[in-house]
Amino acid sequence: QVQLVESGGGVVQPGGSLRLSCAASGFTFNTYGMHWVRQAPGKGLEWVAFIRYEGFNKYYADSVKGRFTISRDNSKNTLYLQMNSLRTEDTAVYYCAKTYYDSSGLGGWGQGTLVSVSS
Amino acid sequence: QSALTQTASVSGSPGQSITISCTGTSSDVGGFNYVSWYQQHPGKAPKLLIYDVTKRPSGVSNRFSALKSGNTASLTISGLQAEDEADYYCSSYRSGDTWVFGGGTKLTVL
Repeated sequence: QVQLVESGGGVVQPGGSLRLSCAASGFTFNTYGMHWVRQAPGKGLEWVAFIRYEGFNKYYADSVKGRFTISRDNSKNTLYLQMNSLRTEDTAVYYCAKTYYDSSGLGGWGQGTLVSVSS
Repeated sequence: QSALTQTASVSGSPGQSITISCTGTSSDVGGFNYVSWYQQHPGKAPKLLIYDVTKRPSGVSNRFSALKSGNTASLTISGLQAEDEADYYCSSYRSGDTWVFGGGTKLTVL
């Protein structure tokens, strides 16, 4: 079955950097687009970024554009999110999610990794 | 990028039906048949309930149904059960190759 395991979260100071990873298994990773979605404590879901299956086309929310970079290594079945110039408002649980077949839905989610930006 | 608009909370008794609405614009909900719905229990990852406006993934109960009219999408849960108590989020593809979520609706089963 689909398994997505995020890692790399932690505490970082404002202005710092962090790289999240999402290890995928149970499906043919290189045929699915992948998303990052975050959820601030006690708040709703916020879409962060999307990368198409081939890794060339990438899309970002305005709130992270120019600071975050989504990438993937299809040889390692792994998705990444490089986060630079972190702000306190980036504090959230970050989920990776796969598209549900060739649809707009996000059909498989990891358990999330917590990123806390604080001085 | 403003979020889609959802009612903050809704409640119902076991066996009843409830409907959650999700309002966007012609650039997202109204412009594409790419609305999806998610259920999230406390401390858990979201779960896909509906994709492409009306379609249910395999394994999702047929008590969950959805439709769209203009810029507003809606999710109906029939035959409410205690385990349906959760937060529900809508999401839509938005022009410019981005996605947007609603603010979420907290469902309380009385």
